[in-house]
Amino acid sequence: SQQGEEDPQALSIQEGENATMNCSYKTSINNLQWYRQNSGRGLVHLILIRSNEREKHSGRLRVTLDTSKKSSSLLITASRAADTASYFCATEPSGSRLTFGEGTQLTVNP
Amino acid sequence: GAGVSQSPSNKVTEKGKDVELRCDPISGHTALYWYRQSLGQGLEFLIYFQGNSAPDKSGLPSDRFSAERTGGSVSTLTIQRTQQEDSAVYLCASSLWPGNHEQYFGPGTRLTVT
Repeated sequence: SQQGEEDPQALSIQEGENATMNCSYKTSINNLQWYRQNSGRGLVHLILIRSNEREKHSGRLRVTLDTSKKSSSLLITASRAADTASYFCATEPSGSRLTFGEGTQLTVNP
Repeated sequence: GAGVSQSPSNKVTEKGKDVELRCDPISGHTALYWYRQSLGQGLEFLIYFQGNSAPDKSGLPSDRFSAERTGGSVSTLTIQRTQQEDSAVYLCASSLWPGNHEQYFGPGTRLTVT
């Protein structure tokens, strides 16, 4: 079963608005990662946050991690039509496999 | 530099046939992973290779699935006696080292079993 669960499953916003996606997980982790997938093919890594970090920024992306609540959020500011994609959180319980959630489908309308 | 490549990009096969899917990881990456993604779903871990260590096969769904990694580089995922439920996108990823490192994904192989 998937450890990460994203919320919401789908999100539709207007260009320029902010998009927030949440992820919850069940077991302890080394790190949590966010990936983007366009058109159901290869995934692109966005950001990695370690278990001892609480917040991380990369360009228009802001990720938070609350290990006490076993949750993370991904904020995309000033969204663009090109941000339309599926976004997945993935947890790394140990130094090997990633466990993915089922993703949030983000649609940014021009 | 070159990313992770996979071949073929699409494969249509008849139920009962065997298929081989290939992955070329990024040069120098020691860890290689196979995942499967069914339509509209998240990724399901299949198998993981790290250097010369024994692979972690715990995600393989049945004994019809096997994989090998030759010379610490190219990997082949083999599905024997394919079933319709094997239809999915098979994604390969590599990382520099396991643990606390991002994984770089290939474009995937879309397998359709008719």
